[in-house]
Amino acid sequence: DTGVSQDPRHKITKRGQNVTFRCDPISEHNRLYWYRQTLGQGPEFLTYFQNEAQLEKSRLLSDRFSAERPKGSFSTLEIQRTEQGDSAMYLCASSPGTAALWVPFYSGNTIYFGEGSWLTVV
Amino acid sequence: QKEVEQDPGPLSVPEGAIVSLNCTYSNSAFQYFMWYRQYSRKGPELLMYTYSSGNKEDGRFTAQVDKSSKYISLFIRDSQPSDSATYLCAMKVQAGTALIFGKGTTLSVSS
Repeated sequence: DTGVSQDPRHKITKRGQNVTFRCDPISEHNRLYWYRQTLGQGPEFLTYFQNEAQLEKSRLLSDRFSAERPKGSFSTLEIQRTEQGDSAMYLCASSPGTAALWVPFYSGNTIYFGEGSWLTVV
Repeated sequence: QKEVEQDPGPLSVPEGAIVSLNCTYSNSAFQYFMWYRQYSRKGPELLMYTYSSGNKEDGRFTAQVDKSSKYISLFIRDSQPSDSATYLCAMKVQAGTALIFGKGTTLSVSS
């Protein structure tokens, strides 16, 4: 399988515990994204990496959230002191683009999502 | 008002029907428009990607963008039970990275 891989697929944790999710993007994809999706809603953008640099963070990414992409390959998303409101599916996505701006019809704009990591905070 | 509005449905149609899914948006700076399909408890899968206004066709799927009305559509011809899923529209401005999604429309195609 050469798609975006996420681990674990499901995580149940007690409120106050820390959790970490891992994402392995498609090989050689420079751009990596994290989104969060709750039931009945579309995905919401959390953060974006261009190689190892975290270039954009949403206001949804509170201080309890931290994301890294240390060598420009896999990425981790850690949530500290989890709260029940953190229960959601955390989606990782990647795209091959290297351009600073999207160029119309450039195939590197195509964003591929992983299967997601479900988090339940009890 | 949310930037992207999408009727969540559910929408139920018989096999073979033509399905029309729609989104409206408020941000006139959106330039990139996408449709994703999401099966239950799976990640979104890109179906169609268009830039600015116009139509794009791919097999049984046609995407339309009307920027003057801030309205996009996805048409599915000859719908199949395997098309049963949630369809998400997503949009992006030229210089941004974040995709802004609608809530998704749940479609059920019965055989």
